[in-house]
Amino acid sequence: KAGVTQTPRYLIKTRGQQVTLSCSPISGHRSVSWYQQTPGQGLQFLFEYFSETQRNKGNFPGRFSGRQFSNSRSEMNVSTLELGDSALYLCASREGLQEQFFGPGTRLTVL
Amino acid sequence: AQSVSQHNHHVILSEAASLELGCNYSYGGTVNLFWYVQYPGQHLQLLLKYFSGDPLVKGIKGFEAEFIKSKFSFNLRKPSVQWSDTAEYFCAVSANNAGNMLTFGGGTRLMVKP
Repeated sequence: KAGVTQTPRYLIKTRGQQVTLSCSPISGHRSVSWYQQTPGQGLQFLFEYFSETQRNKGNFPGRFSGRQFSNSRSEMNVSTLELGDSALYLCASREGLQEQFFGPGTRLTVL
Repeated sequence: AQSVSQHNHHVILSEAASLELGCNYSYGGTVNLFWYVQYPGQHLQLLLKYFSGDPLVKGIKGFEAEFIKSKFSFNLRKPSVQWSDTAEYFCAVSANNAGNMLTFGGGTRLMVKP
């Protein structure tokens, strides 16, 4: 099976813009989670989607949002970008009680 | 809310040395425990996991970890490290009532000198 894929791999945006990141889970996986990885804060949970419903949400402002489609693909959106949003955004998928499988991430740089 | 602490931020070892990375978590309920590794330029990969049963779990590449419930610990060990083990290691916890949300420790950067 193909692994978790994320597009784009790299993004450069300026403050105030918005951005949409995409994640395709492993085939058959219905749960998709998003994480933010920064040198200062480490890996932090953003949100989780399962069968198109947000099941869990981390402690991030409302500028961070996401959605999941019927084919389990997921997108996350960050509006009104701030410098501090520069990070590696990781997507992970899971099915049942198994572990989460991570994608390569999208490196977002906000200038 | 759960939290995870990794005591060592940076570890430098010579090849063939033994490795032990500490991980402690705080949560009063039932947890699932994981160690993930991130090699330079690569994505997070699972080394091993503990859901239930034997508290000594074996993972890939010769790694193992022991869950000590009374100490809220899940330390990672390897008897003899190799240069290729140079990577960042993350301990993670998910509480059974928190869905798939993983709480990660701050990570430990391991450098193995050839």
